[in-house]
Order: sequence, then C-alpha cells, then structure tokens
Amino acid sequence: GAGVSQSPRYKVAKRGQDVALRCDPISGHVSLFWYQQALGQGPEFLTYFQNEAQLDKSGLPSDRFFAERPEGSVSTLKIQRTQQEDSAVYLCASSGGVNTEAFFGQGTRLTVV
Amino acid sequence: SQQGEEDPQALSIQEGENATMNCSYKTSINNLQWYRQNSGRGLVHLILIRSNEREKHSGRLRVTLDTSKKSSSLLITASRAADTASYFCATHSGNTPLVFGKGTRLSVIA
Repeated sequence: GAGVSQSPRYKVAKRGQDVALRCDPISGHVSLFWYQQALGQGPEFLTYFQNEAQLDKSGLPSDRFFAERPEGSVSTLKIQRTQQEDSAVYLCASSGGVNTEAFFGQGTRLTVV
Repeated sequence: SQQGEEDPQALSIQEGENATMNCSYKTSINNLQWYRQNSGRGLVHLILIRSNEREKHSGRLRVTLDTSKKSSSLLITASRAADTASYFCATHSGNTPLVFGKGTRLSVIA
C-alpha cells in the first residue's frame, strides 16, 4: 500500500481483556515505531524495531505490553489484561532509517471500559 | 518523557494572518522535525531541519533552528482554515527514535 496501515481503527475492550493491534508499514521500510498518545498530549515512544530486531523497548509502560515484528514487516502490539489507563491512541510509524522522516498510520483508538 | 516543548499551547488567528509556533528542547540533536495532526488523524511530516542548518522553507512553511538556544520555530504564512490542526516538534538525538513535544493547537478562523 501507499502508506502505513493500522487495524483496527477503533477498539473497545473490557478491563482485563487482551488486545492485539496491527501495523503494516510502508514496504521496504526497515524501521518501525510504536507510540502511545493520550488525549491532548504528544505521542510518547513505546518501542522500536529495525527489521525484525526490537532495538528499544524502554517506553513500554509495563510487562503487559509486548510488541513483535517476526518477519521484519508487519508488527503487532499486544496489551494483556487491559486497564483503563491503557485507553489512548496507539500510533505506528515506519521510516527508511532511524534519523529520517517517519510516516505515521492513522492510529488505533483503544478504549478500555 | 518528552524532550520538546511547544509554545504556545494554543493559538487562534484569523485567516490570512501568519502563525508562529516555538519549540524548545533539552539535549543536543541530529535533526528536528515538525509534524501536523488533524483531529482524530495520524501525524503528517511537514519538514526536517538538520542540526547544521539554520533555516528551511517548504511552501508557506518556514522553520528556523538555533542550536545554541536549543530552540526552533515554525512559521506558517498566509494561514488558511485548513491549517487548523495540532503541530508537534520532534527531535532525533543519536540513534534514539523521535521524541515529541506536547504540541500547539492552532485554530484558523475564516
């Protein structure tokens, strides 16, 4: 596709439920990033992949958050036992390199009820 | 944590006026980027300025960078209603991913 694609666009989860958010990056982009954006705030870094290697996961808020990119393309962000404070927009971005411009998807809005 | 801090937090102007947003950051950088976000949408890259550059233009956008003051400004000239959005600065330091500020919410009134 022409851009970064994220699915689903919206997700409502009951507290305690597990969720999986998908990101399809731009073809050929080696770098992939996940960000979390709370309402009215800037995106906060969660984790970063270069190809299939997860190089930085320092932003993941707890061990309930897990991300993978097994074949160096599609990535999945999984949140286990969701809590209300996990409600946010989760943004995925890809780039040709870590120091270049990043292309963002439309995000997944997660609401935990 | 957020490295960049935009100022003002919110800005309201009339169509046709210029809008200026400022960004300050804390550590040395490789480059600084500006992004726009329309309500409920993803971020769109506007412009990238490297640490050895002082000014860059793209259409109605002008970005300046002062590394001695650790600050940048984004100027949008002849604003339009369609420029209404949140604007974020983001910095690259070393090999770390982009770190974003909290953004400036711009409203352009027709």
